[in-house]
Parts: sequence; C-alpha cells; structure tokens
Amino acid sequence: ILNVEQSPQSLHVQEGDSTNFTCSFPSSNFYALHWYRWETAKSPEALFVMTLNGDEKKKGRISATLNTKEGYSYLYIKGSQPEDSATYLCAFKSASKLTFGTGTRLQVTL
Amino acid sequence: NAGVMQNPRHLVRRRGQEARLRCSPMKGHSHVYWYRQLPEEGLKFMVYLQKENIIDESGMPKERFSAEFPKEGPSILRIQQVVRGDSAAYFCASSPPDQGASYEQYFGPGTRLTVT
Repeated sequence: ILNVEQSPQSLHVQEGDSTNFTCSFPSSNFYALHWYRWETAKSPEALFVMTLNGDEKKKGRISATLNTKEGYSYLYIKGSQPEDSATYLCAFKSASKLTFGTGTRLQVTL
Repeated sequence: NAGVMQNPRHLVRRRGQEARLRCSPMKGHSHVYWYRQLPEEGLKFMVYLQKENIIDESGMPKERFSAEFPKEGPSILRIQQVVRGDSAAYFCASSPPDQGASYEQYFGPGTRLTVT
C-alpha cells in the first residue's frame, strides 16, 4: 500500500505571511508528483506536475520543489492572500494511477 | 472549451437501488479516472479506463461496482444495490493520450451520492 503523507494537516496564517507544506512519498517506482489546489465545492485544480529530481516549478506566488531520492516535495506560498485559502493536495503517480495525500488545509485571514 | 463534465451533481438513492454516474472527459482526452472521497477521507483511486478498455481497476470494490468507457458517449460508473456506505463524492478526471509521465489529470466537479 502506497503511503503519501502531507503535513501539516491544517494551517492558519495571516495575509502576507509566507508558508510551506510538505509531501512525503515512496522513493521507488516514481513516475511523477502532482500538486493540486482544491477549494470547497469546486474541482481539484492542477498546480504542478513534477517528474525530475531537483525540479523546481513556479506559478505566480506559488512554487514547489522535488526530491525523489529522499521522497519529499515542498510547496511554498509567498505573501499569502485570502484567496489562497484551500486544501492543497499532493499525489504520487505510479504507472497508472494517482495516490493522494490527505491534504493540507490552508486558511489565510486578513 | 468545456472541462470535464459530470452528472448528476447530486444523486439520492434508497438502499438497494442502482446509481449511475456519468463523466464526459475534456475534448481530445481519451483517458478517464474515477476517484471516491468518503466522508472525512481523502481522494481514493477507483479505476482507470481508456476507450473500451479497463486499464487498472485495483481500487474498485469487487462487488456491485462496475465502470465502462464506451467508444461513443460518456464514461459510466455503476453501483448496484447501493448501501449507506456508498455515500460519498465521486470524482472523474481525464487526461490526453499518453505523452510521458508529465500529463495532468483534469477533474470534474464530482457527483455527491447520498444513500438513504
């Protein structure tokens, strides 16, 4: 059974704070690591797909890094805004499916 | 350019009835995935289909559940003789034909099934 773990489970920050979350995954049989942003009552929205050890990806104020040898990825949000409030999911891709972590629930307040 | 469509968005069934959930992938996408989110749990993979083929059904319960993706029309997830434990949100995702490991899966809005 694949184990994909995310921490922290939830996070409450003030507007303007920078924050980061961790995703841990198996280091064997690695195809890709996906990050999704999931707002309540909406569909999960793809943020990044990362495939190579050492990958760094950026989209606006959000960036992610990948270490496949030790099995972890970090997601960073710089200068958090209330609209960043969502659950952030990582998913480990093996040959044919995604195995999701349980997510980090981020709440950004004014 | 419509995204992944799922219908119905909400479905209420009595115990013992059948539930049919539909998923129309994004245009040009030939791969469909079904995931389930049980209350207080994360997304769990159920099945991966390509047109007319089941590729991986390792996450599907062995009984009462079936999935298809015919040559024409949407993918269907079918649950026979539903029980209360089937109450969950069922999400469909699609992706384009294989272009290596880096393709995204695009999710639909989900169908929330309630079994009474």
